[in-house]
This record gives sequence, structure tokens and C-alpha cells, in this order.
Amino acid sequence: DIVMTQSPATLSVSPGERATLSCRASQSISSNLAWYQQKPGQAPRLLISGASTRATGIPARFSGSGSGTEFTLTISSLQSEDFAVYYCQQYNNWPRTFGQGTKVEIK
Amino acid sequence: EVQLVESGGGLVQPGGSLRLSCEASGLTFSDYWLSWVRQAPGKGLEWVANIKQDGSEKNYVDSVKGRFTISRDNAKNSLWLQMNSLRAEDTAVYYCTRGGWHPEHWGQGTLVTVSS
Repeated sequence: DIVMTQSPATLSVSPGERATLSCRASQSISSNLAWYQQKPGQAPRLLISGASTRATGIPARFSGSGSGTEFTLTISSLQSEDFAVYYCQQYNNWPRTFGQGTKVEIK
Repeated sequence: EVQLVESGGGLVQPGGSLRLSCEASGLTFSDYWLSWVRQAPGKGLEWVANIKQDGSEKNYVDSVKGRFTISRDNAKNSLWLQMNSLRAEDTAVYYCTRGGWHPEHWGQGTLVTVSS
């Protein structure tokens, strides 16, 4: 199985600041990577697929980059509603696998 | 608006069985792969199984192979997950999702608790 490793586990950021989240795959997954946001008590919400394509209705402050094994999710200017847990997920191979998550918290 | 509504969760003893259901609306059900993804309390996400549009292809994560069965009925816009020989480690919220690669639509989830 492909192992997805996210860093850091927790990111403390002030509102208005930039947040950079990393995700590494244990083998190349081309650009077959998605990012999700999850808030407490809610289902995950798709943010990005194809490593860099925003899903419907996702604000432009969310951007994704990378290919192969190294990927980044950037939130350009954190809003109060962005404090949440973020997961990356590969869909290059079965089983689909997720990273362990990065919690973005208020500094 | 796409809606996915899960049901069937609850408390079950180790070794027991449970059948989860997902009813879909607002989409052409037969056009899509469908999947079950679970999340243990306070933990991350795990993709459990997915099924092709016509049910001809199914995939399972190793930890549930031989115990869980995914199925669908396109005429009823319904997806199921039959879970047998349940273990404590199967305790989780189970989400029904539209898609087999990077789901954009998720249900609200149904909690399965395996405990004596």
C-alpha cells in the first residue's frame, strides 16, 4: 500500500497568515492526489484534486502543487473558517490511502 | 443538490453483523462509482470499499476482505455495506461517498460501535 505522510501534525497560524501543509507519498503517484478539509462533527470536504485543481466552490486562497511524491497545500491568508484538519489522499493505486492529517489551529 | 443519507449503524457485539445503507438523491446514481470510507473516533480516514457503476467491479481494503461486502441497486438509488465478523477495530463513523477516486460528495456518516 502507498503510505501518505503529512507534516506537520499541527500548524499554529494567526488569521491572515499563510499556511503551508506538506504531504509525501511512499512512491510516485503522478498527480493523483486530493486534499480534504474536515471540521469537528462534519464529513470531509474535497478541496483539491489532480494535485492542483480546486473543487467546485472552493475559494482561490486554497492552492495545491506538486507531483510524484511531494505535494503542498497552501492557504494564502487564513480565515477563521479555515481552522480545521486537512487530509491528503492518493488515488493512483488501490487501496486509496489518506495521510494522518494536519490540524491547523489558531495561534 | 446531491444528498447521501446513511443509516443502519449502531452497537453490535464482536463477531456480530450489521448492514449499512446509503440512499442517494440529486444525482444519476448509475453514472458513478460509489465508496465507503470510515473514520475511527478521533482518528484519520480509511477507504473501506468501492463499487463500479454496474456493480461488476469491487475493491476492498485488506482489513475487511472476506468480512465486508459492498453492493448497490441502481433502480433504488441505494448502496449497502454488509459487515460480518465485526471486530472492535471496525468501530468508526462510516461515510457513503460518490466517486471512486476523490469523492466530492459525502453523507453525514453513521456510527458503528463494536463492543461487548
